[in-house]
Formats: sequence, structure tokens, C-alpha cells
Amino acid sequence: GAGVSQSPRYKVAKRGQDVALRCDPISGHVSLFWYQQALGQGPEFLTYFQNEAQLDKSGLPSDRFFAERPEGSVSTLKIQRTQQEDSAVYLCASSYSQGLTDLYEQYFGPGTRLTVT
Amino acid sequence: QKEVEQNSGPLSVPEGAIASLNCTYSDRVSQSFFWYRQYSGKSPELIMSIYSNGDKEDGRFTAQLNKASQYVSLLIRDSQPSDSATYLCAVYWLDTGRRALTFGSGTRLQVQP
Repeated sequence: GAGVSQSPRYKVAKRGQDVALRCDPISGHVSLFWYQQALGQGPEFLTYFQNEAQLDKSGLPSDRFFAERPEGSVSTLKIQRTQQEDSAVYLCASSYSQGLTDLYEQYFGPGTRLTVT
Repeated sequence: QKEVEQNSGPLSVPEGAIASLNCTYSDRVSQSFFWYRQYSGKSPELIMSIYSNGDKEDGRFTAQLNKASQYVSLLIRDSQPSDSATYLCAVYWLDTGRRALTFGSGTRLQVQP
């Protein structure tokens, strides 16, 4: 079946602009995650949704970052007033599990590479 | 804070050899483990998951888990040039309440033809 999709794949923004990144998870997956990956590092957690509920946003680096998943499917990560330090790859992942057991495989989308100039 | 550590490499092995990738983590309570492969410019791809002590085999891949030693490894038999990638170890700690995976920085594997 179809995997996780993300758009756009590449985004160049001038400092101060707002951006919106979209994630379409695997159909039926209740859990959705946003991660940020810097060059040479592993992905770092930003926020987590279970269906439409945002249960954990502790990884969001500032209040300029906002995420939503209003209907429990597609999610959008919005970054306001972008800064150069926001340049990174933003990865979305989804899982059929709610993480209440050890069985918690997460599948990643292709990512959005954001460059802030 | 719970942590996951990996040697950044590069680990260089000749084609046909066994590649051994290692990962250590900081706590022994209620966790499960995942290995992801990430090609340059691509996103992580799940290749193995392991939840219990011992070995788990899937084709040319074997994951080994030793919770007492806080150690998980990935063996790749008959390594191929197409296995050249960064391998990310990820841990899920069920007891923290955080549903996200914690990743190491990855080990870069180079398989020489």
C-alpha cells in the first residue's frame, strides 16, 4: 500500500517567512510524529498526535512551531517567522500502534528539506 | 535523559564480509529497539525490530539484544555495496510516557567492492 507522503519535498524560505509542511500518513495509522533531522544526526522528536489529539509537543523548539491534525489523518507543521537555525529535514512518521506496548514500529515519509536563507 | 549511543564510523568492510554495527543505551527498563537504514539524502527505512533478549534473524540481517548489558547490535551477512548507508539505532522507552523513538546519531557503513 501507499506509504507516508510529505510535501513539499524541498522548501526555500527567506528568513522571517512562514512555512507549512504537510504529512499524509499511512491509512489507518493512529499515531503520527514529526521529527527534525540535522545533517549527520539522528532524527529528533518534535511532536506526537494520537488521532486528532496532540498528546506531546515537548520537542517543539519554540512557540514559532505549531502542528495540527484536525481530522486525525493529514497533519501540518507550521513554522512562523523562520530563522536560519530552522534549516533541517523535517520528517513525518506514522504507526498503527498507540505505543502502549512494545510493538511500536514507525514508518517515515520522504521528508521535507527546509532551507532558510 | 535517556540516551542512545553509536559509533559514527565510517565502518568499512569488504564485499561479502559480515558488518557488525553496535548501539548502547542508557537504561534497562521497558524498552524496544529498532534499526533503520538511511541512504544519503533519503529518509530512514525500518529494517529490524527486536523486543526480547537474544537474536532475531531476517534474511541477511540479524539483530542481537542484551538488556543486561544495555547493548543492541545489527549484523549484516554477505555485505553488498548496496548496503552502504547510515544505520540508525532507535529505542522506545515504554515507561517514560513519551511515545517517540530516541535515535542515535547513526553509524556510516561503507562496503568496498
